[in-house]
Amino acid sequence: DIVMTQSPDSLAVSLGERATINCKSSQTILYTSNKQNYLAWYQQKPGQPPKLLIYWTSTRASGVPDRFSGSGSGTDFTLTISSLQAEDVAVYYCHQFYRTPFTFGPGTRVDIK
Amino acid sequence: QITLKESGPTLVKPTQTLTLTCTFSGFSLSTDGVGVGWIRQPPGKAPEWLALIYWNDDKRYSPSLKSRLTITKDTAKDQVVLTMTNMDPVDTATYYCAHRPYDNIWGSYAFDYWGQGTLVIVSS
Repeated sequence: DIVMTQSPDSLAVSLGERATINCKSSQTILYTSNKQNYLAWYQQKPGQPPKLLIYWTSTRASGVPDRFSGSGSGTDFTLTISSLQAEDVAVYYCHQFYRTPFTFGPGTRVDIK
Repeated sequence: QITLKESGPTLVKPTQTLTLTCTFSGFSLSTDGVGVGWIRQPPGKAPEWLALIYWNDDKRYSPSLKSRLTITKDTAKDQVVLTMTNMDPVDTATYYCAHRPYDNIWGSYAFDYWGQGTLVIVSS
């Protein structure tokens, strides 16, 4: 199985400041035939299902604000919230859909400082 | 607009079999490339992928649970059913079904639409 790890476990950021979450996969999730990394980011608020934010490392899902961005390749990836808003308080998960069994990271909790 | 909704029992006794139904709308599971998956999430923990079925009836299972899972589809009813045998208290979780989309250029990608989930408690 591809193991996903995330850091930090939690972070508190002031409103309007940048939040950065890191994700690492235990093996590459770069599909060489199309040069896409099969990495997604989800946001989950209490009592709600995970919401797809980003897929293929950096493609924002429909309706996702452009303050959310993703980067990385191979085994190391980053989700950046450029200017934290109150509604961004949530748990964020990275997820590899490169190969079954699909796996998720343990999550990073983002709060307001 | 794509929607999915899970249904099934809230309380299951240990050793019983769980049957969950995902009823969806806004897409067809006979469209090339499309899939529907099941993911569960124990309280306070990360999601765990369980199973996936594709438009062509290709099925994938989590290796750690494969012996206990069966996923099927009823295209006419727009439903996907997951059964899990020999339930245990550690299987207590919210169970979600989700749509796996297909891009004609890049292929399948991440689950984009999820149901609201159904909480399943395993207890005697």
